[in-house]
Amino acid sequence: DSGVTQTPKHLITATGQRVTLRCSPRSGDLSVYWYQQSLDQGLQFLIQYYNGEERAKGNILERFSAQQFPDLHSELNLSSLELGDSALYFCASSAMNYGYTFGSGTRLTVV
Amino acid sequence: ILNVEQSPQSLHVQEGDSTNFTCSFPSSNFYALHWYRWETAKSPEALFVMTLNGDEKKKGRISATLNTKEGYSYLYIKGSQPEDSATYLCAHGVGSYDKVIFGPGTSLSVIP
Repeated sequence: DSGVTQTPKHLITATGQRVTLRCSPRSGDLSVYWYQQSLDQGLQFLIQYYNGEERAKGNILERFSAQQFPDLHSELNLSSLELGDSALYFCASSAMNYGYTFGSGTRLTVV
Repeated sequence: ILNVEQSPQSLHVQEGDSTNFTCSFPSSNFYALHWYRWETAKSPEALFVMTLNGDEKKKGRISATLNTKEGYSYLYIKGSQPEDSATYLCAHGVGSYDKVIFGPGTSLSVIP
């Protein structure tokens, strides 16, 4: 257990639907990051939150949004899902000089 | 170099061989350089975080060096084993510990 918890592990949904992915960072880490890994692709940075506030944004689609709550857990909302959104979504948290700690990921399949 | 680059893209070695790969990054505004091991069906796991020019880190048979002035880091694996098969990612920290750009990775396959 890395200390970063992601739920659910697997999600199958239909096109046009909306899903929410959840992440609890490692205890004490204030930063949460969301990454997408599509088939045969590397890690694509989506968005970062730090202590409840958006800190950096990557190539995140307008159909996607995220937030970080006062207890530091974060949710990634994906709406109007398309087949191309099928991917592995990782959450990570970080602390100074320790690198990133990744969760086990949520595998999203859009059918 | 504007982005984080890694070479080679993939590598196949025989068990027992030593190997190394390269991460290149912009040398300006350097904060840290991370290395991760990413095994199939698992999540990336941090190997090293280096912050100072000339840093060398070692964990078992794996070691890494850092040259911030010229913008590169090497990862070395001595006596490769099949369990070393994974994708090795480097990540360049820009300006602060929590702004990191990942490279595309080097995929290593160790043949028994």
